[in-house]
Amino acid sequence: DIQMTQSPSTLSASVGDRVTITCRASQTIYSWLAWYQQKPGIAPKLLIYKASSLDSGVPSRFSGSGSGTEFTLTISSLQPDDSATYYCQQYSYLWTFGQGTKVEVK
Amino acid sequence: QVQLQESGPGLVKPSGTLSLTCVVSGGSISSNDWWTWVRQPLGKGLEWIGEIHRDGHTNYNASLNSRVTVSADKSENQFSLKLTSVTAADTAVYYCATKDTGGFYWSRGSLVTVSP
Repeated sequence: DIQMTQSPSTLSASVGDRVTITCRASQTIYSWLAWYQQKPGIAPKLLIYKASSLDSGVPSRFSGSGSGTEFTLTISSLQPDDSATYYCQQYSYLWTFGQGTKVEVK
Repeated sequence: QVQLQESGPGLVKPSGTLSLTCVVSGGSISSNDWWTWVRQPLGKGLEWIGEIHRDGHTNYNASLNSRVTVSADKSENQFSLKLTSVTAADTAVYYCATKDTGGFYWSRGSLVTVSP
């Protein structure tokens, strides 16, 4: 099975800060990686698929990069509405999710 | 755009069987390759449960393999999840999902509680 290791588990940053979340796969997943944002009581919302493709309607401050085993999600200018938990997901072979990163906006 | 809506009992007794159905609208279950179930215990992360291909092939999470069955009904444009011998550890929000070239589509989620 492919394991996904996401870091950090929590982060706290100020409005306007640049924030980066990292996801590492236990073996190559090429570019078959997605990023989700989840707020309490709501289903995960797709932000990025195929490592760097922005889903329709997602603000351009979100971006994804990486390939192989190392991936990053970047929020270029953190906004109050970005307070949420973020998950990476590999879909190269079945699906596996990272443990999640809880982002707090100061 | 595909929309997914799950239905089923919100309360299941320990040792019983959890059964959920996901109705597909805005598209055909024969059009996407894989149809998937994911769950999330309250306050915890996401866990992939299993999937069914449009040709009927299935894959399951090894940790649940002996207890889980995913099936599809093309005539009703829906797919289903059965999880047997449930315990309190199976209490979670259950989601159905799919993927196409445009991205991923998820249902809103259904809380299933395992309790006497």
